[in-house]
Amino acid sequence: SQQGEEDPQALSIQEGENATMNCSYKTSINNLQWYRQNSGRGLVHLILIRSNEREKHSGRLRVTLDTSKKSSSLLITASRAADTASYFCAGQGGSQGNLIFGKGTKLSVKP
Amino acid sequence: NAGVTQTPKFQVLKTGQSMTLQCAQDMNHNSMYWYRQDPGMGLRLIYYSASEGTTDKGEVPNGYNVSRLNKREFSLRLESAAPSQTSVYFCASSANQPQHFGDGTRLSIL
Repeated sequence: SQQGEEDPQALSIQEGENATMNCSYKTSINNLQWYRQNSGRGLVHLILIRSNEREKHSGRLRVTLDTSKKSSSLLITASRAADTASYFCAGQGGSQGNLIFGKGTKLSVKP
Repeated sequence: NAGVTQTPKFQVLKTGQSMTLQCAQDMNHNSMYWYRQDPGMGLRLIYYSASEGTTDKGEVPNGYNVSRLNKREFSLRLESAAPSQTSVYFCASSANQPQHFGDGTRLSIL
């Protein structure tokens, strides 16, 4: 079963605009991670936020986590055409600590 | 530094054939994972290996077997391929978190 559900499923914006993707998850987590997948490639880790953190920044990325609502958001500021990709959230929790992925948001940034 | 290498990149099989997907990592990670990704879906865990010599089932293990050959290598075997196993297969490794992924094996079963 999927842990996370991303919203929206697809997002199309112009270069320079901000992109916001949301993720909801079902069970308790130790941390929540965001990954990017370019077409035909593997996933690349972007950022990890721990369950005791509320917000984290990395370059143009800003991630928030609300454990009471079991939700997270990923904000990409000043988007670029190179940001075009699918973005996945993944919760890590449970005894084995394995990741459980959502279905992803497909972001298209038009030049 | 290659990271996680998967072979082959593409494969077409007939129903009932067997095949082994290979994965190797050069980052000295203890944990390795096999996922499958179907259209419009996130990744689902097939099997994982927390350390050399151990393997455990993930969410969707039926129809698959794995071998952790050594610390570097973790293979996934389909003994009798079925059309439902048509998918993109990803191998990943980690020291703790995050996970590092290969570029996948695209497998079609006719």
